[in-house]
Amino acid sequence: EVQLVGSGGDLVQPGGSLTLSCSASGFTFASYWMHWVRQAPGEGLIWVSRINPDGTTKNYADSVRGRFSISRDNAGNTLYLRLTSLRVEDSAMYFCVRSVSGSYGYFDFWGRETRVTVSS
Amino acid sequence: QSALTQPPSVSGSPGQSVTISCTGTNSDVGSNNRVSWFQQPPDTAPKLMIYEVNKRPSGVPDRFSGSRSGNTASLTISGLQTEDEADYYCSSYTTRSTYVFGTGTRVAVL
Repeated sequence: EVQLVGSGGDLVQPGGSLTLSCSASGFTFASYWMHWVRQAPGEGLIWVSRINPDGTTKNYADSVRGRFSISRDNAGNTLYLRLTSLRVEDSAMYFCVRSVSGSYGYFDFWGRETRVTVSS
Repeated sequence: QSALTQPPSVSGSPGQSVTISCTGTNSDVGSNNRVSWFQQPPDTAPKLMIYEVNKRPSGVPDRFSGSRSGNTASLTISGLQTEDEADYYCSSYTTRSTYVFGTGTRVAVL
């Protein structure tokens, strides 16, 4: 059974930093593009970032480029998102998502989210 | 990257059909066939309902169908059922190697 379980979310002050993790199981993690998608309470989905299977290609949404960094540990089946210079508007549920069908594939499985709250 | 435009809500009686539009630009919806639709019930992770404009994953009922004309994609739910009540989002790959989601549509079954 495919599983993606997010963790690391917390309450952090504006300007602070945090690292989110997503533990994968039930599939060959090293073969898939992986993404982070966020959703503020009562709001819509926002794509944040993606990383290719071997970790050499990374893309970011304009709103987080230069502040967030995506990475992965294929040996440990774990996806990461490093969040720095956090803003109140970064508060959201963060989903770890798998995509299939290549470098411009589609999101076929969504994991259990982790909550980030940025507040003083 | 601006969100794709969807109507805030649509509604219908059981058995009726509803259609949700998703309007983008020639840099996203109109540029490739990587348009998807997701269903999100309250407090639940999104679920893939349509991929590559009009393909259904295994297990998704055939009353869900997708299409596209130019820069606008559409999701039609035929034979609406009470369990179809949820928020629905479209998404598209873009020419900037990023993804964009729609603003979301709440489907109500009257």
